[in-house]
Amino acid sequence: IMMTQSPLTLSLSPGDRATLSCRASQSVSSNLAWYQVKPGQAPRLLIYGASSRASDIPDRFSGSASGPEFTLTISSLQPEDFALYYCQHYSSWSSLAFGGGTKVELK
Amino acid sequence: EVQLVESGGDLVQPGGSLRLSCKASGFTFNSYGMHWVRQVPGKGLEWVSGISWNSVSIGYAESVKGRFTISRDNAKNALYLQMNNLRPEDTAFYYCVKEIWDSGYEPYPVDVWGKGTTVTVSS
Repeated sequence: IMMTQSPLTLSLSPGDRATLSCRASQSVSSNLAWYQVKPGQAPRLLIYGASSRASDIPDRFSGSASGPEFTLTISSLQPEDFALYYCQHYSSWSSLAFGGGTKVELK
Repeated sequence: EVQLVESGGDLVQPGGSLRLSCKASGFTFNSYGMHWVRQVPGKGLEWVSGISWNSVSIGYAESVKGRFTISRDNAKNALYLQMNNLRPEDTAFYYCVKEIWDSGYEPYPVDVWGKGTTVTVSS
C-alpha cells in the first residue's frame, strides 16, 4: 500500500486555513494517522483513526476521510504549526507506509 | 517517564551487518507493539519493521525484507534490529518507536520515539 501526500509544500500565513491531503493506493479503512515533525524534534502524533485527535492536540487540528482520500485540516495556522506533516497507514503488519510528507511553510 | 534509547549504529561497508538495540523504560514494554522507522537526512520517514507485543505478528518494508530481522526480549525490555547485507541506501537515522495502545493484534499508531541512532553504509 502506498500513501501519496499533496501538495509537497503549502505556503501560508498565520491565521490561514491549511488543507493537507493523503491518498491510499488501496483501502486502509480508517487506519490512518497524521504526524507533525519539527527540526530536531521527534515526530508528534496528531490524529489517529483518520479523525480522532491524539492527547493534548489543539482542536484547530482535524482529520477527515472520504474513501481512500484523507485530509488534515489546520483551521487557523499558529506560528508553531509551520512544520512537516506525514500521514501513515497502520492497516496491516505487512506494510505501515508513510506518505512523502507536506511542508507547511511561512509565506 | 517513557524512554527509548537506541544504540548500535555505526559506519559499515556494503554487504556488512549491524545489530541495532533499543532499551525501553517507563512503561510495560511487554504489552506494546514496537517499530523501527528510519529517516535519511532531508528526506521523509520510512517505516522499516514492526513487531507485536507477543512477537506473533511481524512485518517488514519491502526494501528490507529478507535482509533485516526484528526481534524483542520482553524480559530485558529490549527491541532489536539485525541488519544484514547492508546497502548504501540503508544509510539513515534509525528510530525505535512505541505504539500508542497496548495488547494489540493489529498494528497501532505510534506515540513515543527514541532519539535515534545513525547507520552509515559506505566503502
